[in-house]
Amino acid sequence: AQTVTQSQPEMSVQEAETVTLSCTYDTSESNYYLFWYKQPPSRQMILVIRQEAYKQQNATENRFSVNFQKAAKSFSLKISDSQLGDTAMYFCAFRSFTGNQFYFGTGTSLTVIP
Amino acid sequence: KAGVTQTPRYLIKTRGQQVTLSCSPISGHRSVSWYQQTPGQGLQFLFEYFSETQRNKGNFPGRFSGRQFSNSRSEMNVSTLELGDSALYLCASSLETGTPYGYTFGSGTRLTVV
Repeated sequence: AQTVTQSQPEMSVQEAETVTLSCTYDTSESNYYLFWYKQPPSRQMILVIRQEAYKQQNATENRFSVNFQKAAKSFSLKISDSQLGDTAMYFCAFRSFTGNQFYFGTGTSLTVIP
Repeated sequence: KAGVTQTPRYLIKTRGQQVTLSCSPISGHRSVSWYQQTPGQGLQFLFEYFSETQRNKGNFPGRFSGRQFSNSRSEMNVSTLELGDSALYLCASSLETGTPYGYTFGSGTRLTVV
């Protein structure tokens, strides 16, 4: 079974600063995908960034980037130049290559302070 | 292009009752997945429907059931409600089943059991 662990229930960051959210996972599979989803107060889960495990290069999407360490089974999210709109719950998620479901972590509540 | 629509947005039910939640996917999407989100357990996979067939099921009791119609709209039903069923129920749609990409989530139905 796959497990995803987010050890930081809450974090805060000053506007325009950088913050890193941690995620570790456990799997015996070699082909899989990792995701960071954002859930603002509107409750809709929004994809922030994704990483294919077979790619060594870390994914980047504008101000969002990941540090993917496959051997360590670590997948952290870095948010640069934090904005007030980044305030939300952030969920790390795993999906196997052949699987039919996401496995989510318990989430990190991020607050951006003006 | 309309997003994933979940109705109702909020629902209050009494223990022992049953409830039906609805999810209308993005036009053209044929796969609908359901997740239960609670503060204690996080997001847990309930089931996935594709072309009116249940493709995958999570570890939930038989009180949780679902179906999908020919227009890809999906409903989930919970019978004999328990207090622990209070949760945010999210659905996600995608074009195909078994794909790791292209999922769009709805804003959920907040179910409170009293």
